[in-house]
Amino acid sequence: RKEVEQDPGPFNVPEGATVAFNCTYSNSASQSFFWYRQDCRKEPKLLMSVYSSGNEDGRFTAQLNRASQYISLLIRDSKLSDSATYLCVVTLNTGGFKTIFGAGTRLFVKA
Amino acid sequence: NAGVTQTPKFQVLKTGQSMTLQCAQDMNHNSMYWYRQDPGMGLRLIYYSASEGTTDKGEVPNGYNVSRLNKREFSLRLESAAPSQTSVYFCASSPGFGYTFGSGTRLTVV
Repeated sequence: RKEVEQDPGPFNVPEGATVAFNCTYSNSASQSFFWYRQDCRKEPKLLMSVYSSGNEDGRFTAQLNRASQYISLLIRDSKLSDSATYLCVVTLNTGGFKTIFGAGTRLFVKA
Repeated sequence: NAGVTQTPKFQVLKTGQSMTLQCAQDMNHNSMYWYRQDPGMGLRLIYYSASEGTTDKGEVPNGYNVSRLNKREFSLRLESAAPSQTSVYFCASSPGFGYTFGSGTRLTVV
């Protein structure tokens, strides 16, 4: 089992739709959680951190469920410019910090 | 702001050739990293440097060497390239929270 698992998609949604991605992690020692966005043939860029209380940034909402060991990303009112791959990233402390990247979920938003 | 600068952007090597990927950051970050990204897989850590003068192996270090030349620069060397090293390579730096990535190097080994 992969340490961080994501549905690879692709998710194809119309503009204006709400779309949600989940990511599961296997190590309960995981401490920090992030979503990165990666455009086609570009580098990953930090989208948002994920906190236990949940956090929102405009149309984006991230949530963490430690009991079930998953994090989620909700995108409301999808825009064409949201088309990208979304990477789930988990950092854990096992004597030293280790960061694990999920393989990503591809999103296509169409007009 | 340049952020993290990687060179070259593209490279084709023949099996057995060597090359060095260069990376420099201007954000005064202590930590720097080299990752590779392959289709269907997450970014995998090759080597990292927690501070100037130190380097450590990551998940997939075999076939690679690194040099942390100073606080700004962290290079990755392939001594004898193999087709399995065909990948996209990203350099990153971090102040301790979150990463800033370079634009990547697309390497093909034939």
